[in-house]
Amino acid sequence: DAGVTQSPTHLIKTRGQHVTLRCSPISGHKSVSWYQQVLGQGPQFIFQYYEKEERGRGNFPDRFSARQFPNYSSELNVNALLLGDSALYLCASSLEGVRQETQYFGPGTRLLVL
Amino acid sequence: AQSVTQLDSHVSVSEGTPVLLRCNYSSSYSPSLFWYVQHPNKGLQLLLKYTSAATLVKGINGFEAEFKKSETSFHLTKPSAHMSDAAEYFCVVIPSWDSSYKLIFGSGTRLLVRP
Repeated sequence: DAGVTQSPTHLIKTRGQHVTLRCSPISGHKSVSWYQQVLGQGPQFIFQYYEKEERGRGNFPDRFSARQFPNYSSELNVNALLLGDSALYLCASSLEGVRQETQYFGPGTRLLVL
Repeated sequence: AQSVTQLDSHVSVSEGTPVLLRCNYSSSYSPSLFWYVQHPNKGLQLLLKYTSAATLVKGINGFEAEFKKSETSFHLTKPSAHMSDAAEYFCVVIPSWDSSYKLIFGSGTRLLVRP
């Protein structure tokens, strides 16, 4: 079975641009979460979506937005990119998005903002 | 706010010797605690999780962790290190008060295994 997939694997943008990152969850998983991992730090929670509804949001500015599609795949959008947005963006999926479940992570998209 | 503290940013051991990676969590009712491992250029992988059942939790690849409420600790151990264990390890907590499935990660411990 395929795991969580993310695209693209790497991306280079310049300040002020917009970026869209994509995630496909494990088949049958309805919940998708996004995390940002800055170099040398642990991942930080950005969003959780379940059945196309936002279930949770971390402490990130409104430049960050996301959505989940009927097939449960998800997009993370970041507007007006800043140098500090350079990071590894991780997507995780789980069946129902509840505490008892394991979250499965994708390999991430590495974003570099110049 | 609920959080975890990983006490060592780097740990270096020789192959075949025991591994101890330390984690303390801020006190909370019924915390859910996890250890994840991140190998270079690979996604995060769950090693083990504690969800208020047995206090000694066994995970994959010979790792285990013990939940000690009196010490608010959840240290990760392995009896004998292997070269393939070299990676970044994260202690993780889910806030008991949060309805979303938000993982809060520690700052990570990089494990180096010497031949």
